[in-house]
Amino acid sequence: QQQVKQSPQSLIVQKGGISIINCAYENTAFDYFPWYQQFPGKGPALLIAIRPDVSEKKEGRFTISFNKSAKQFSLHIMDSQPGDSATYFCAATSWGGSQGNLIFGKGTKLSVKP
Amino acid sequence: DSGVTQTPKHLITATGQRVTLRCSPRSGDLSVYWYQQSLDQGLQFLIQYYNGEERAKGNILERFSAQQFPDLHSELNLSSLELGDSALYFCASSGLAGGSTDTQYFGPGTRLTVL
Repeated sequence: QQQVKQSPQSLIVQKGGISIINCAYENTAFDYFPWYQQFPGKGPALLIAIRPDVSEKKEGRFTISFNKSAKQFSLHIMDSQPGDSATYFCAATSWGGSQGNLIFGKGTKLSVKP
Repeated sequence: DSGVTQTPKHLITATGQRVTLRCSPRSGDLSVYWYQQSLDQGLQFLIQYYNGEERAKGNILERFSAQQFPDLHSELNLSSLELGDSALYFCASSGLAGGSTDTQYFGPGTRLTVL
């Protein structure tokens, strides 16, 4: 049972374009939604995260949009650069029991063409 | 560099064998998480330890076990290995009790190949 569904599986964007990755979740107990970036041969690294009490969070060129009623959230990368080429994972977790284990989407491989 | 270290970087072994993966969390972090990354299953949570105690269990097989030692380093033991256990194994650490907003910092991973 996949609790976090991520799309698309792969994405090709021209340099300077906007990259958009979407995620949907099922468990309404989730209350923290981070995005991780992973380069080949490296571990995932936190990019940006959001709580469901806000609808949008922006950090530099990266923005998370959150729709609580639709149980969906998305990552927008503005002015995409070749250095952004990586695999992006959305994730979700809930506070309950002070456990923070992350439930990950399957990942999106982003290629930014120069 | 996340500050989380994992050894070894690569491990090649045969079916039926047993291996131990080691993780040292960031200085001061009390929680350690283990994740398995494979092409078909993606990143899956295995188990979490907090200050030496097991805190949460995910999709961890009975052939797998873990522990966290007094110096807070953790080991993941994989036994009776099968071809399907070939994957990247990541350790992550966080500062507090593992509350949902704790940032988890991932190590570079151990790539396990079972032949």
